[in-house]
Amino acid sequence: IAGITQAPTSQILAAGRRMTLRCTQDMRHNAMYWYRQDLGLGLRLIHYSNTAGTTGKGEVPDGYSVSRANTDDFPLTLASAVPSQTSVYFCASSPDSAYNEQFFGPGTRLTVL
Amino acid sequence: GQNIDQPTEMTATEGAIVQINCTYQTSGFNGLFWYQQHAGEAPTFLSYNVLDGLEEKGRFSSFLSRSKGYSYLLLKELQMKDSASYLCAPMDSNYQLIWGAGTKLIIKP
Repeated sequence: IAGITQAPTSQILAAGRRMTLRCTQDMRHNAMYWYRQDLGLGLRLIHYSNTAGTTGKGEVPDGYSVSRANTDDFPLTLASAVPSQTSVYFCASSPDSAYNEQFFGPGTRLTVL
Repeated sequence: GQNIDQPTEMTATEGAIVQINCTYQTSGFNGLFWYQQHAGEAPTFLSYNVLDGLEEKGRFSSFLSRSKGYSYLLLKELQMKDSASYLCAPMDSNYQLIWGAGTKLIIKP
């Protein structure tokens, strides 16, 4: 693994189903983030984690949950998907939460029908 | 509230210079980032300004005026590969990035 990876690359999901988007980084970064990106809108922060074992809510957390059991992994779970969660999801990491550039994964394109 | 304003789309000619402006209002300020995002790809870091003034990095330069809540990204000697969206993102008092919708830059030969 080099950098930050996400899986799956894309997914079509029926409404009401549970889905976990995976994110793994090998840079030993402390901070990790989940964003969604919709056409015409800026990236919106869903959840973040400043260090392993801690998480926080971003701008649009409803319908999503995260965990940070270790430094490398930061999965995002949709408990019961709805069509409004159709979006491109980006995971990002940074050495720490302040003043550092964020490195982005390649994204997951999710369609909820 | 927090707000980022940047033009939706700009067009420029290969070899020319273009300036992409960004105005912002945030709760506190801990610097401003510019990212480049090619269509269908992830954003990649271009620059970071925390003090007023111009930061130059090769063909790209970024300027910040904290008192005016204003930044710009200057791209020189434009190449076709510079066709992308450019995202302005100030960092607020909680060290969260507040993202603009981005400026789509179209380069014509």
